[in-house]
Amino acid sequence: NAGVTQTPKFQVLKTGQSMTLQCAQDMNHEYMSWYRQDPGMGLRLIHYSVGAGITDQGEVPNGYNVSRSTTEDFPLRLLSAAPSQTSVYFCASSYLGVQYFGPGTRLTVT
Amino acid sequence: AQSVTQLGSHVSVSEGALVLLRCNYSSSVPPYLFWYVQYPNQGLQLLLKYTTGATLVKGINGFEAEFKKSETSFHLTKPSAHMSDAAEYFCAVALGGSARQLTFGSGTQLTVLP
Repeated sequence: NAGVTQTPKFQVLKTGQSMTLQCAQDMNHEYMSWYRQDPGMGLRLIHYSVGAGITDQGEVPNGYNVSRSTTEDFPLRLLSAAPSQTSVYFCASSYLGVQYFGPGTRLTVT
Repeated sequence: AQSVTQLGSHVSVSEGALVLLRCNYSSSVPPYLFWYVQYPNQGLQLLLKYTTGATLVKGINGFEAEFKKSETSFHLTKPSAHMSDAAEYFCAVALGGSARQLTFGSGTQLTVLP
């Protein structure tokens, strides 16, 4: 199993540009989530999904959209990037109380 | 709502010395508690978790943590530090049930000195 995969690993955007961070898992987990990691703040939950077709907001959802059309994929969209969205983004899937994290995407918005 | 406080954003120990990373939580219901480790430029990996039952939990790489309800603490320890333990450590809390939504502490960077 590949586990949780994320693409791209690195991305630089200009303010106002849009992009989609990809996340996929091959473990058939129903629950998936997106976090952002900023220095000194730990990980903060952006959006999560409890299954295909069901998503909900986490602690810091503003500026981000998600959808879940399949169990495997959970993309995160930035519609109009802002410098405050410069961060490292982690996708995770969960099973029996354990979260499995992807390797992360480092995003810089200039 | 739940929250997590990790005391000390940076901890340095000598190789072979005791590692103690502190975590206190608040939760309105019995919590599930976790420690995750993050090596440079990698995602987080589960070290150990407490759900119910025995309050002393053993994890990977010789780490263990003890759930103390009276102190609302879940400190992480390792008797003898190794150079490979240098990483960032995160404590997290979840409400019971499926424990899907985690609230993370701000992290503790562990440095191991030769």
